[in-house]
Amino acid sequence: EDKVVQSPLSLVVHEGDTVTLNCSYEVTNFRSLLWYKQEKKAPTFLFMLTSSGIEKKSGRLSSILDKKELSSILNITATQTGDSAIYLCAVLGAQKLVFGQGTRLTINP
Amino acid sequence: EAQVTQNPRYLITVTGKKLTVTCSQNMNHEYMSWYRQDPGLGLRQIYYSMNVEVTDKGDVPEGYKVSRKEKRNFPLILESPSPNQTSLYFCASSFADLSYEQYFGPGTRLTVT
Repeated sequence: EDKVVQSPLSLVVHEGDTVTLNCSYEVTNFRSLLWYKQEKKAPTFLFMLTSSGIEKKSGRLSSILDKKELSSILNITATQTGDSAIYLCAVLGAQKLVFGQGTRLTINP
Repeated sequence: EAQVTQNPRYLITVTGKKLTVTCSQNMNHEYMSWYRQDPGLGLRQIYYSMNVEVTDKGDVPEGYKVSRKEKRNFPLILESPSPNQTSLYFCASSFADLSYEQYFGPGTRLTVT
């Protein structure tokens, strides 16, 4: 059965810290891995990583795909209170998108 | 503004009373999907539609129906809601299929008593 596991499930840090969120997967016929940020309600798209694009960066956020280890990390540097959210990892296989449970990140001032 | 809208945003209902949650997108997207989100389980796909009149089951379709008569609308129907369908529901759309970025609606919080 296809599976996506995120860790940690919850993380509390101070503003300015750097955090690393993890996502590991077992999905048949891997096509891409996606990261979403969910603040109040709807998830918003952050990155899509594929075999041809294993590293993405946008401002203080960056993500790397390790196809050998079947995993990905999402790094956030110099965290701000506005980074507080649930971060979702999802993996697209042959026909479907499988989501992880999410990591709840809290940034304290 | 490009967006996915859902209505209602909040709904409390009783077991067995049929309800419909509407979803509409204004981006001319081909692909639309419904998810439910439950604590500790992440987002799970209920149904999806690749195009008008084409729908298929996702991971958790039991107790739900959908229709896609027009490209922009994809309503979710609960014919006889039960308490285990209490959840947060999201509609999403993408340009063609899941290899493209999905845009999510604001969510519908449903409580079935």
